[in-house]
Amino acid sequence: AQKVTQAQTEISVVEKEDVTLDCVYETRDTTYYLFWYKQPPSGELVFLIRRNSFDEQNEISGRYSWNFQKSTSSFNFTITASQVVDSAVYFCALSEGTALIFGKGTTLSVSS
Amino acid sequence: DSGVTQTPKHLITATGQRVTLRCSPRSGDLSVYWYQQSLDQGLQFLIQYYNGEERAKGNILERFSAQQFPDLHSELNLSSLELGDSALYFCASSGWRDGYNEQFFGPGTRLTVL
Repeated sequence: AQKVTQAQTEISVVEKEDVTLDCVYETRDTTYYLFWYKQPPSGELVFLIRRNSFDEQNEISGRYSWNFQKSTSSFNFTITASQVVDSAVYFCALSEGTALIFGKGTTLSVSS
Repeated sequence: DSGVTQTPKHLITATGQRVTLRCSPRSGDLSVYWYQQSLDQGLQFLIQYYNGEERAKGNILERFSAQQFPDLHSELNLSSLELGDSALYFCASSGWRDGYNEQFFGPGTRLTVL
């Protein structure tokens, strides 16, 4: 069965600190997709990234970077030089082509 | 703005009541998904419709039902409401983007059961 584990329930950092959010997944399929979403206090789900199982290249987008390692079934998300606006709940999700299976989320609080 | 609309934005009702949540997908998207975000269960997939037909089912309670109409909008019906049904309900529609059937999420309907 598919499963996504985000072991960190809450993380608190001070502005400008780097922070890594962990995501470990389980699936029996060889073709799957991994996602990160951000949910700010306003409640909407903001898409951040999608990665397919055949592409293990790490990705960087501004202060955000993602590390995908199939060997450890992990898809970790790092925010560099965090800012107060990064405060949100972050969800990792897995899909084998249809519905998304979400982790429980990590609440990130960035203080000034 | 994802192009997916959900109404109402907020809904407050009492236990035992029945409510209907509405979702209009992005223009051209044939699939609609419903997700529930509650404190207990987190964000979980409920049900998917494709062009009017049920395609996949997740952890949807028997008290809940959904349908997709010929104009492709969808409704999620929740009946015999319990306190634990209080949650944020998201609808998503899917369409092809970069070779992947991307899901676009609506802003959600926040249901409070008193």
